[in-house]
Amino acid sequence: QQQVKQSPQSLIVQKGGISIINCAYENTAFDYFPWYQQFPGKGPALLIAIRPDVSEKKEGRFTISFNKSAKQFSLHIMDSQPGDSATYFCAAKGSSYKLIFGSGTRLLVRP
Amino acid sequence: DGGITQSPKYLFRKEGQNVTLSCEQNLNHDAMYWYRQDPGQGLRLIYYSQIVNDFQKGDIAEGYSVSREKKESFPLTVTSAQKNPTAFYLCASSVAQGGNVLTFGAGSRLTVL
Repeated sequence: QQQVKQSPQSLIVQKGGISIINCAYENTAFDYFPWYQQFPGKGPALLIAIRPDVSEKKEGRFTISFNKSAKQFSLHIMDSQPGDSATYFCAAKGSSYKLIFGSGTRLLVRP
Repeated sequence: DGGITQSPKYLFRKEGQNVTLSCEQNLNHDAMYWYRQDPGQGLRLIYYSQIVNDFQKGDIAEGYSVSREKKESFPLTVTSAQKNPTAFYLCASSVAQGGNVLTFGAGSRLTVL
């Protein structure tokens, strides 16, 4: 119940295309769902986050879609750019201290 | 600039040796965390601390130890008891325990020879 399952493990997209990364969770007590972006040799940084009372949140080219009934959420990167090439982690958190991370998706955007 | 400083960035250790990774933050955050990152496994919590002189085990604490003598500092010792210590170690902090936003350092890569 504490797991967050993330797919795909790796993703290759052409410049200008849409990148889609999916996550699924089991624990209905989770109420905060962030996405972190990590460049090689760096620590992750918060990219965008959503709470389950909304179905979508958009910040620039990045959108989180949230399906509470299916217990799934996804990250969409519109007009993907080579600079978006990084590892993306979804995560989930309830009332406790712990942020549960997915296994990560390595995104490569080809020029 | 406020942030988290981890050192060293790269570290090599012989089997049987203990090694200490440094983590310093100037964000005035109360809570600090240590995560381990392995390929394909996401980030796993080793230890966390919400206040000075107090810390709790995370999911994979065996073979590790920490201290929190100052609010700004949360060093991690990888002991010889850790069976597979080669990994990328990340320190993070948040405003308070349970704070939603984690700020991460740049990480320390430990390789056991």
